[in-house]
Amino acid sequence: ETGVTQTPRHLVMGMTNKKSLKCEQHLGHNAMYWYKQSAKKPLELMFVYSLEERVENNSVPSRFSPECPNSSHLFLHLHTLQPEDSALYLCATASGSSDTQYFGPGTRLTVL
Amino acid sequence: TQLLEQSPQFLSIQEGENLTVYCNSSSVFSSLQWYRQEPGEGPVLLVTVVTGGEVKKLKRLTFQFGDARKDSSLHITAAQTGDTGLYLCAGGEIDDKIIFGKGTRLHILP
Repeated sequence: ETGVTQTPRHLVMGMTNKKSLKCEQHLGHNAMYWYKQSAKKPLELMFVYSLEERVENNSVPSRFSPECPNSSHLFLHLHTLQPEDSALYLCATASGSSDTQYFGPGTRLTVL
Repeated sequence: TQLLEQSPQFLSIQEGENLTVYCNSSSVFSSLQWYRQEPGEGPVLLVTVVTGGEVKKLKRLTFQFGDARKDSSLHITAAQTGDTGLYLCAGGEIDDKIIFGKGTRLHILP
């Protein structure tokens, strides 16, 4: 069974829409992450959850809202996004905050 | 915050050739990971190295962690078209954060 899954794989939305990205992990890990990957930039860490509590928020605009209802699921709620938010959004999990991270396949988001 | 510099940024070589890509920092990392990412997919872990001077082999790929744990290299022998992708290194910082380099985009020509 795939360790980390993300849905949807592709999403096109207008600037006034509200949508959510979902990440599910089957690895029993305690830490979960959201990253943004844009062309020609390093992976940008957005949010970190450890044991279902948010431990880091890297100055991400409030139009991105994470939610971690349990240790297996992580959501990223999106509203009133901008075209520059178009990117590949990656979820990752790890046993602990300093351990190797395992990534999902990502959601390719396009904001029109 | 530490920085990880990866070089070269882009590399295009013929199938069958050997290549080496690098990941360098001025600071020490507790561990270092190498990932390969294909278009439209998430990074897939290739290896984790934790000990200075450590060498790990994965078929035709050889990974080395520098003695001082500040740098790493990935050597591919007899490259194949299936090796094409974005190679990312990531370092574990002393304060438990992990940072990523920008990656080396490798293209193996048939």
